[in-house]
Amino acid sequence: QVKLEESGGGVVQSGKALRVSCKGSGFPFHTHGTHWVRQTPGKGLEWVAVIWYDGSNKYVADSVKGRFTISRDNSKNTVFLLMTNLRVEDTAVYYCATDRFKLTSGGQFLPNYLENWGQGTLVTVTS
Amino acid sequence: SYVVTQPPSVSVAPGQTAKITCGGDYIGSKFVHWYQQKPGRAPAVVLYGDTDRPSGIPERFSGSNSADTATLIIRRVEAGDEADYYCQVWDVTGNQLVFGTGTKLTVL
Repeated sequence: QVKLEESGGGVVQSGKALRVSCKGSGFPFHTHGTHWVRQTPGKGLEWVAVIWYDGSNKYVADSVKGRFTISRDNSKNTVFLLMTNLRVEDTAVYYCATDRFKLTSGGQFLPNYLENWGQGTLVTVTS
Repeated sequence: SYVVTQPPSVSVAPGQTAKITCGGDYIGSKFVHWYQQKPGRAPAVVLYGDTDRPSGIPERFSGSNSADTATLIIRRVEAGDEADYYCQVWDVTGNQLVFGTGTKLTVL
C-alpha cells in the first residue's frame, strides 16, 4: 500500500527556518519524483518544488526561490523541504506527492501528474 | 509565468452533466491533469493526460483538451462529486508546475 507521511510542521517565527520531511513506503521510492505543494486554509493549491527521482534535477516556484530547498535521501525513502527566512505568507498545509514523470518525444523525463499524496503537515509562521 | 484559469464555481443538479473548464495559452499542446479535493482531505487525481482515468475513478469522469481550453466532464453527477476541482499542467518553458485557480462544484 502506497503511503506518504509528512512531518516536521509546526509554529515558527518569521525569519526563522524549518525543515519538513516526507517519508514514502509501499512503493519503489527511488523511482518516483516528488513534489511539495502547499495550500493556505480556504485557498487554492500552490506548487512549491519538485525533485527528480535520483535528485539530479530540482526546481522551486518563483515565490520561494532563494529561500526553499528541496532534497532527498533515497536510502531513507525521504524527501525534505528546507524553508528558510520564513514569512507569514508561507503559512499553509504542505503536502508531498509522487510523480512517475513522463518520457517525452525528445527523450527527457519530465514532471507529469501527482499520483499519490500525503495528508499534509501544517506550517504556521508568526510575525 | 504560465497562467491557468478556472471558473470559481459550477453548480449542477444530480443526474446532470457538469463541465469545468481550464483555460491557458495553447493549453491544448500540454497534458492536463485534474484533481478532486474534498474538505479536510488531500487532493486526489481523477483524470490524467487529458483523458485517462486512474483505477477506481468511474467512467462518468472524462476530459478533453484543445486550443486554449481543457474541460473536465462529469456525467450523471452525484452528491458525492461535490468538491473542489483543480487542473494542472507542467510548464516546460519555466520549469514550473502550475495549478488552475480551482472550481467549487456544487450539487444542487
